[in-house]
Amino acid sequence: EAGVTQSPTHLIKTRGQQATLRCSPISGHTSVYWYQQALGLGLQFLLWYDEGEERNRGNFPPRFSGRQFPNYSSELNVNALELEDSALYLCASSLSAGSRLGYTFGSGTRLTVV
Amino acid sequence: DQQVKQNSPSLSVQEGRISILNCDYTNSMFDYFLWYKKYPAEGPTFLISISSIKDKNEDGRFTVFLNKSAKHLSLHIVPSQPGDSAVYFCAASAGFQKLVFGTGTRLLVSP
Repeated sequence: EAGVTQSPTHLIKTRGQQATLRCSPISGHTSVYWYQQALGLGLQFLLWYDEGEERNRGNFPPRFSGRQFPNYSSELNVNALELEDSALYLCASSLSAGSRLGYTFGSGTRLTVV
Repeated sequence: DQQVKQNSPSLSVQEGRISILNCDYTNSMFDYFLWYKKYPAEGPTFLISISSIKDKNEDGRFTVFLNKSAKHLSLHIVPSQPGDSAVYFCAASAGFQKLVFGTGTRLLVSP
C-alpha cells in the first residue's frame, strides 16, 4: 500500500512569489491535514480537509490556502512568500475525521524562501 | 497559545536505561493522546496512544502514562536502544477534532 506522498521534496522560492505543495493521501483516506514545522516550533496545524470541504483552519494568515480534489488529493498554496515561511510542510491523511486512528504522514516538502 | 507542551527540548540516555519523555496539556477537553516519532527527512510515525478513560497503555518497550488531574502524560521507553534516537512529539485531540502537537523532544540514546 502506497503511503502519503508529497511533492516536491524541496522547493526554493524568492520572497513575494507563490508556492504550491501537493499531497496524495493513502487510498481510502478522505481527510487530509497540513502542518508546518518551523525551527523550534513543533508541528503547527495549518488546514484540515475532509470530503472536499475545509473543516478547520489554524492560526495562519489568509495567504495560506488550499483545496482538496475529488480524488482526495490536496494542494497547499502559499502566496506572497515571506522569509519566515521557510519550513518543513507536512501532509497527513486519515480515515474520515479519524484522529482516534492517528494520522499517516508524508515525508514533507522543505520550502526555502530566499 | 500552546495547548500541548513538551518542556524538554532534548534528552540524552544510555543504551539499556529508561527514557522518560514528558508532555503537559492545558485543554481539559482533550480526551485522546498520542505519541509520534520522527526521524530526520521523514514524516512522523505513530507510536502509541491512550484514551482518557485509561491511565496506562503498554506496547512492547513503550508505555504511556496519563495523569488527568495533573494534565500530564509521559512516554517510557525501556530498555532504550540507539535506534530510538529521534524527535518525539506528543499530540492530543478533543472528540474527533484535529490533533494538536507539542514542540517535540529530541531523544539521543548513546551506546
